[in-house]
Amino acid sequence: DSGVTQTPKHLITATGQRVTLRCSPRSGDLSVYWYQQSLDQGLQFLIQYYNGEERAKGNILERFSAQQFPDLHSELNLSSLELGDSALYFCASSVEGDSYNEQFFGPGTRLTVL
Amino acid sequence: KNEVEQSPQNLTAQEGEFITINCSYSVGISALHWLQQHPGGGIVSLFMLSSGKKKHGRLIATINIQEKHSSLHITASHPRDSAVYICAALNDMRFGAGTRLTVKP
Repeated sequence: DSGVTQTPKHLITATGQRVTLRCSPRSGDLSVYWYQQSLDQGLQFLIQYYNGEERAKGNILERFSAQQFPDLHSELNLSSLELGDSALYFCASSVEGDSYNEQFFGPGTRLTVL
Repeated sequence: KNEVEQSPQNLTAQEGEFITINCSYSVGISALHWLQQHPGGGIVSLFMLSSGKKKHGRLIATINIQEKHSSLHITASHPRDSAVYICAALNDMRFGAGTRLTVKP
């Protein structure tokens, strides 16, 4: 158990809908990262937050947004869902937000868009 | 071309065999992670390396910064080691495609 929690574990929804994925980092970790893993693309970095502020942005679509709250939990919002958004979404956390911190992964949320 | 290349893509071994998975990267990175992903989907961070060698139980990871190469070794492999192993320069947002390891009893 990494100490990172994600909810829900599974989510099934329809095209055009909007969903929110939630992540709670390990106690004491200030940085949260979001990743997408689809069958054909492998792992892709989406976005990083550090202590409430956006720190780095990767291949995140405009339909997707995220935020980190004062209690350091983070939410990833996915809107106007398409079939291709079906994937595993992982969050990870680290103590700080710089290059030499190990990241600890949550169990993931499996999103299925029908 | 992926900036982080792993080999082999798939690997089947007999229980007890010594296993090596290789990772090469073409750009400078700050640190390299080795991740393990089990069939259920969960990802576990095995190692983070910026130099030298690290050992945890039967797992050993090495990195050669000059040659831009890292290896993950598993000694005395066991069926429970069956998983996908991913090398990733997480802090540089670069990922290998993964090596699917199957260890047969």
